[in-house]
Amino acid sequence: NAGVMQNPRHLVRRRGQEARLRCSPMKGHSHVYWYRQLPEEGLKFMVYLQKENIIDESGMPKERFSAEFPKEGPSILRIQQVVRGDSAAYFCASSPLQGGNEQFFGPGTRLTVL
Amino acid sequence: DQQVKQNSPSLSVQEGRISILNCDYTNSMFDYFLWYKKYPAEGPTFLISISSIKDKNEDGRFTVFLNKSAKHLSLHIVPSQPGDSAVYFCAASSTDTGTASKLTFGTGTRLQVTL
Repeated sequence: NAGVMQNPRHLVRRRGQEARLRCSPMKGHSHVYWYRQLPEEGLKFMVYLQKENIIDESGMPKERFSAEFPKEGPSILRIQQVVRGDSAAYFCASSPLQGGNEQFFGPGTRLTVL
Repeated sequence: DQQVKQNSPSLSVQEGRISILNCDYTNSMFDYFLWYKKYPAEGPTFLISISSIKDKNEDGRFTVFLNKSAKHLSLHIVPSQPGDSAVYFCAASSTDTGTASKLTFGTGTRLQVTL
C-alpha cells in the first residue's frame, strides 16, 4: 500500500514564476491537507480539501495561493508569481476520516525561489 | 500566537535511558493530540496519539501522557535507541464536528541519542 506521494521533491523557480506542487493521497483516503514548514519552524496548516471541495482554507495566504483536489487525479497546490519568502518545504497529508484521526504525510516538496 | 509549544528545542539522552519530550498547549478546544517524528528531508512520521478522554496511551517503547488540567502532554521513549535521533513534533486538533481536523504543530524538539 503506497504512502502519500508528492512530486516534485525539489522545485526551483525564479521570482515571478508559477509553482505547481502535486499530492496523491494514500489509497482509500479522501481527505487531503497541505502544510508549509519554514526553516527552523513547525508545520503550519494551509488548506484542507476533499474531492472537488475546499473544506478549510483558513491557513492559505489571501493572494497568489490556490489549491484543488479534482475528482480524478492528484491534489494541486499552486503558487503564482512566487517570491523568495515562498521558499519552504510543503507537505501534503491524507486521512481516511474527518476529525480525530491520524494524518499521514508525504515526503514533501522543497521549493526554492531564486 | 503559538497554541502548541515545545519549549525545549533540543534534548540529548544516552542510549538505553528514558527520553522525555514535553509539549504544552493553550487552546481548550484541542481534544486530540499526536506525536510525529521527522528525519531531515523526509515527511513527518506518525508515532502515537491520545484522545482527551484518556490520560495515557502506550505503544511499545512509546508512551504519551496527557494532563488536561495543566494542558500538558509528554512523550516517553524507553529505552532510547540511536535510531530515535530525530526531530519530534507535538500536534493537536479539535474533533468538534463541523470543523476541519487541521493539525496545529509545535516547533519541534531535536532528540539526539548518544552511545
